[in-house]
Amino acid sequence: EPEVTQTPSHQVTQMGQEVILRCVPISNHLYFYWYRQILGQKVEFLVSFYNNEISEKSEIFDDQFSVERPDGSNFTLKIRSTKLEDSAMYFCASKRGLGTDTQYFGPGTRLTVL
Amino acid sequence: AQKVTQAQTEISVVEKEDVTLDCVYETRDTTYYLFWYKQPPSGELVFLIRRNSFDEQNEISGRYSWNFQKSTSSFNFTITASQVVDSAVYFCALSEARNQGGKLIFGQGTELSVKP
Repeated sequence: EPEVTQTPSHQVTQMGQEVILRCVPISNHLYFYWYRQILGQKVEFLVSFYNNEISEKSEIFDDQFSVERPDGSNFTLKIRSTKLEDSAMYFCASKRGLGTDTQYFGPGTRLTVL
Repeated sequence: AQKVTQAQTEISVVEKEDVTLDCVYETRDTTYYLFWYKQPPSGELVFLIRRNSFDEQNEISGRYSWNFQKSTSSFNFTITASQVVDSAVYFCALSEARNQGGKLIFGQGTELSVKP
């Protein structure tokens, strides 16, 4: 069964460093998402991406964040200058189409900013 | 504004008991979709069930069942004969049809502990 994959599973970085989180969505899916979950809290929407552009972004997704689909399979989230408060689990998700389609999530990348 | 509320932060039951997880949502959209996801201790988010706003028929799938009531904006989830492997955090989520990006709005989650 196809699944969303994410690498790395755990990333440790120093404050101020750039990180890139990588995702490979399910191959025939067209809509891609990033969410984050601070430890012990709820899952929060960051950004949605369709047709090579951002569809919607949340207030969390400020100028320090960017997303890219550099090729036909990868979907990346870049944080330019990490802050302590960026420490969280980051989930990638994808879905085939609009409407009733279900979003399927990757296993997550745990980002720790020291 | 859209919002999902899961009032139960933690529930503890003994194996084989039935347990119901509550979810109340707010939306101004007339067409929307509701979901339940499970997050086991390993951390991944696992899709469980989905319901469309125009289909209020309640269903049973194995040990899972759900009760969708538009009149009270509730989408409750029941596990029958709970098992230790059901221990996890359960999230209710809402997606509005008018939202082109299709983002999910999650509740705070309910941590279910099933004891042997």
